[in-house]
Amino acid sequence: QVQLVQSGAEVQKPGSSVRISCKASGGSFSARHTFSWVRKAPGQGLEWMGRVVPIFHSSEYTQKFQGRLTITADDSTSTVYLELSSLRSDDTAVYYCTKGSPYFADWGQGTLVTVSS
Amino acid sequence: EIVLTQSPATLSLSPGERATLSCRASQSVNTYLAWYQHKPGQAPRLLIYDASTRATGIPARFSGSGSGTDFTLTISSLEPEDFAVYYCQQRSNWYSFGQGTKLEIK
Repeated sequence: QVQLVQSGAEVQKPGSSVRISCKASGGSFSARHTFSWVRKAPGQGLEWMGRVVPIFHSSEYTQKFQGRLTITADDSTSTVYLELSSLRSDDTAVYYCTKGSPYFADWGQGTLVTVSS
Repeated sequence: EIVLTQSPATLSLSPGERATLSCRASQSVNTYLAWYQHKPGQAPRLLIYDASTRATGIPARFSGSGSGTDFTLTISSLEPEDFAVYYCQQRSNWYSFGQGTKLEIK
C-alpha cells in the first residue's frame, strides 16, 4: 500500500505563492495512477482542486483554480507538487494529496497553509 | 458542476443508535458516489464507493444505498469512534464533495 508523506506547515503573505510536496512510497509511482489535491478550509467542506497522472505528465484543474494552480509530478523522486499563486486569506486550509481515481483511497497527512499578513 | 447537498448538517445520536445520513445530487450521478469519514487532525477515510461497496477494512455496520440523485449512508449501531464528519463525493462529472454532516454524541 502506498504511503503519502507531505511537506510541513506554511505561513504565507497575501499575494505570494506556496509550493507543497507529497512523496509517495510503496507501489509503483510511474504506473497509471492519479494523484489529486483536496483542501479543507476552516468551516468549509472538502474541496477537490485538481489532479496529475504522472505517467502521462498531464494535469487538470477545477475551474475555480484555473490560472493560479499548478500540479506537477517528478518521477525521479516519486513526488507530487501543488503550487498555488496569488494567495488570499480564504486559501487558508489544510491541503491533502490523495492517490486513486475515481475515488480517494490513500491520503497524505495534510499540510496546513496559513495566509496572513 | 454537480452540487451535492447533505442532510442533516448535524446529527446528534447516542452510541448504539442507528444513523442515517443523506446526500442529494443536483443531477443524476448513477451510482458514482462515495462516502468518507473525517476526524479532526486526521486524513479523510474512504468508507463506501460506487454507492454501496464497502472499502477495504470498513466494518459491516457501515452501508450505503441509492442511485441517481438520492443516496444514504447508514451506520447500523454507532460505536464511540464513529462520531465524526461524513462527506459524500461524486465522480460522474469531475469530482465534488458535499458540505458534510457532523455526527455528534448526544
